[in-house]
Amino acid sequence: GENVEQHPSTLSVQEGDSAVIKCTYSDSASNYFPWYKQELGKRPQLIIDIRSNVGEKKDQRIAVTLNKTAKHFSLHITETQPEDSAVYFCAASNRLDYGGSQGNLIFGKGTKLSVKP
Amino acid sequence: DSGVTQTPKHLITATGQRVTLRCSPRSGDLSVYWYQQSLDQGLQFLIQYYNGEERAKGNILERFSAQQFPDLHSELNLSSLELGDSALYFCASSFTSSSTDTQYFGPGTRLTVL
Repeated sequence: GENVEQHPSTLSVQEGDSAVIKCTYSDSASNYFPWYKQELGKRPQLIIDIRSNVGEKKDQRIAVTLNKTAKHFSLHITETQPEDSAVYFCAASNRLDYGGSQGNLIFGKGTKLSVKP
Repeated sequence: DSGVTQTPKHLITATGQRVTLRCSPRSGDLSVYWYQQSLDQGLQFLIQYYNGEERAKGNILERFSAQQFPDLHSELNLSSLELGDSALYFCASSFTSSSTDTQYFGPGTRLTVL
């Protein structure tokens, strides 16, 4: 089955700087990679996702890149703000049926991002 | 607000007891997923139901079981509770059972086992 590793586990940046979080996955059949943001005590919220037919996707200050050959994907946050402080989780699809789409998501262990004003 | 609801918000119980957590998916979604999040841990996938049928199983203990009802709400039953079962339990929903479909999370149920 799929395995997802996420680094770093904690990240502290100054307001206005960029933050990069990296994930690697093991199953080359994975083809969907969402990123979730979780504030303390709240639900995980989808912030951006990318599918395997795309190498990069951008949404305002957030971008995700995917390298299928190397089996890694990254989240980039530019011009960080204090409200970006949260735990960020990457995930990869885990297909249970060969050639099909049935399955679930496997999550990384999370990165705690702190943005200092 | 994702449209996914979970009850109760908090649950405090004793070791050896049994509890039921409830989840209602977003309107129109047929798939429900259950996750466990322990302190400083990521989201551990437990089980998935689609239109009333079990579709995928993760690291779910034998003491835990789930089901999805005809109105598509789901319940997660946790029995013979242990201290280590204390965690946040999230459910998520999606329209299809595909692993590439966006999952929307509910607010979670915080379970404390004393």
